[in-house]
Amino acid sequence: QSVLTQPPSVSAAPGQKVTISCSGSTSNIGNDYVSWYQQLPGTAPKLLIYDNDKRPSGIPDRFSGSKSGTSATLGITGLQTGDEADYYCGTWDSSLSARVFGGGTKLTVL
Amino acid sequence: QVQLVQSETEVKKPGASVKVSCKASGYTFINYGIIWVRQAPGQGLEWMGWISTYNGNTNYARELQGRVTMTTDTSTSTAYMELRSLTSDDTAVYYCARDILTSSRGLGYWGQGTLVTVSS
Repeated sequence: QSVLTQPPSVSAAPGQKVTISCSGSTSNIGNDYVSWYQQLPGTAPKLLIYDNDKRPSGIPDRFSGSKSGTSATLGITGLQTGDEADYYCGTWDSSLSARVFGGGTKLTVL
Repeated sequence: QVQLVQSETEVKKPGASVKVSCKASGYTFINYGIIWVRQAPGQGLEWMGWISTYNGNTNYARELQGRVTMTTDTSTSTAYMELRSLTSDDTAVYYCARDILTSSRGLGYWGQGTLVTVSS
């Protein structure tokens, strides 16, 4: 069981928008920054969002992040088939003194 | 450009140890800690621990304490992760990673991964 809870899968049509939720607690999301990662099959994770809502250089503004209380959300607009991947949220958990990740969400672009 | 280059695939027998290396380049090594993350086949990401490249301080995941040791060699800008008493549950791809900025939380740079297979 992951400390952070994500839906196992989401799907949407090309061009549409999708959101992926990440639910935690006051010891993790509620007290630290959230990051989001995209993992294509057979590759290392790629940072999409850090510090809740910041995008690294080179990440298109189709990807956005937000946080409210003990939950965070990744938004992807203008879906493309190339966005099909697994997405993970991550943060620091002060009770565990460890970085923690969500279980991952598989995005299907229909 | 920042690069983290890991050692090659390993196949180990149960009970053995494995040591994975992660050579950093393109930045000042001691300015960023190295995080180790592993991913079992078909599973999610698991944080294994962190090492300060500045002073060698470590913080290991509770479930791995006693079996894992993380070290660095600042002369070669290389980090190492050793895992002992391997079982089939340790079969995974092992990644080293670094935060994107010193003041931010977000693993912006990753090694290519090292597959460790534990099998008799």
